[in-house]
Parts: sequence; structure tokens; C-alpha cells
Amino acid sequence: DAGVIQSPRHEVTEMGQEVTLRCKPISGHNSLFWYRQTMMRGLELLIYFNNNVPIDDSGMPEDRFSAKMPNASFSTLKIQPSEPRDSAVYFCASSFNGVLYGYTFGSGTRLTVV
Amino acid sequence: KQEVTQIPAALSVPEGENLVLNCSFTDSAIYNLQWFRQDPGKGLTSLLLIQSSQREQTSGRLNASLDKSSGRSTLYIAASQPGDSATYLCAVHPPEGYNKLIFGAGTRLAVHP
Repeated sequence: DAGVIQSPRHEVTEMGQEVTLRCKPISGHNSLFWYRQTMMRGLELLIYFNNNVPIDDSGMPEDRFSAKMPNASFSTLKIQPSEPRDSAVYFCASSFNGVLYGYTFGSGTRLTVV
Repeated sequence: KQEVTQIPAALSVPEGENLVLNCSFTDSAIYNLQWFRQDPGKGLTSLLLIQSSQREQTSGRLNASLDKSSGRSTLYIAASQPGDSATYLCAVHPPEGYNKLIFGAGTRLAVHP
């Protein structure tokens, strides 16, 4: 299995532009998570899906952030409009019963908003 | 509110030393605890997963222990190597917020030859 695949690996954009991050979870995993990592705040859960349905989006910082999971093999995290304070590394993770088997993380997307 | 603390924040040791990394959590009600490794500019790699009913897990030179009642876990690395240099993160799985992992800030380890 190729693991959790994220794209792009790096994204540099200007303030005010729309940014879309993509994630392909491991086949057979039924839960998908979006995390954000910064030096100041560490790893924070933004949103998670179970069976393609958003279960908890309480970590989404503002209405500028939205996430979708149209099918079991694809999810997007969109920021519109982007701001410099959104600069961070965004990780996608997936699991099949995280309590028993844990979580697998992608390599992340490093976002820089200038 | 569950909080996870990792001590030390950074560690630099010569190759060959046995190491202990510490993780503490404020609420002992957890489903499991997971140790991850993160290389610079990379994602998180799962090292060990300890269920709440278990005391320890071992993988190669790594051994993780869990003491739920005292809210502590340790990651023991035997005979450290330069390739072990990375940031080590622990995360707990609380019962509320079923799928929410709560992460510590990590211990940045440097093993020099």
C-alpha cells in the first residue's frame, strides 16, 4: 500500500487566494483526519470524517476553512481566502478503528501564504 | 481537558547510549497511547501503539511502557544510532471525542557519531 497520499507537497500562494489541499487515504480505512502543525500550537485536529461523513469540525479555525470527502478515496481541505497566519504544515491521516489499530499519517503539505 | 506533556523538549546524546523519553497526560481515562516519529520536513511514522489494558509494547530497539494510573508513558531506545535522530511525539486517545488524538509537543532527539 502506498500509504496516505497528500498533494501538493509544497504550496506557496498570495494572501487572498484560494488554496486546495488533497488527500487520498489508505484503501479500506473508514476514517480520515485533517491536522495542522505549527511551531506555536503543535498538532491540532481540524476535522475528521467517518465513512465520508464529517463527524467533528470543531477544530476548523474559521469559515474560511472547508473540507469535503466526496468518496472513500479522496478528501480536500480548502482555504478561501488564504491569510499569512494559515501558513503551516497540513497533515492528512486515516485509520480503520483507530482505537485498535492506530493512525497513519501522510507526508503533509507545507503551505506558505505571503 | 486532556493535556499531554513531553520531557525533555530536546536531547543530544552520543551514539550507543540508551535513552528514555517521557510523556505524561493529565487524564488517565484514555483508550490508547501512540508514539510517533517525525523526521524534518516529513510526516509522522507510527512506532508503537499501547492499548489502555497493556503495560508495554516492543519493536526492535524500542520499548514503550504505559502507566495509566500515574498518567505516564516512556519510550526507551536501546543502543541509539544517528539514524534515530528525529522528533518523537506521543499522542493519547481520550474516550470523549472518539477519534481525537491529543498530541504532546514532542522531544527533538539528536544522536551524534
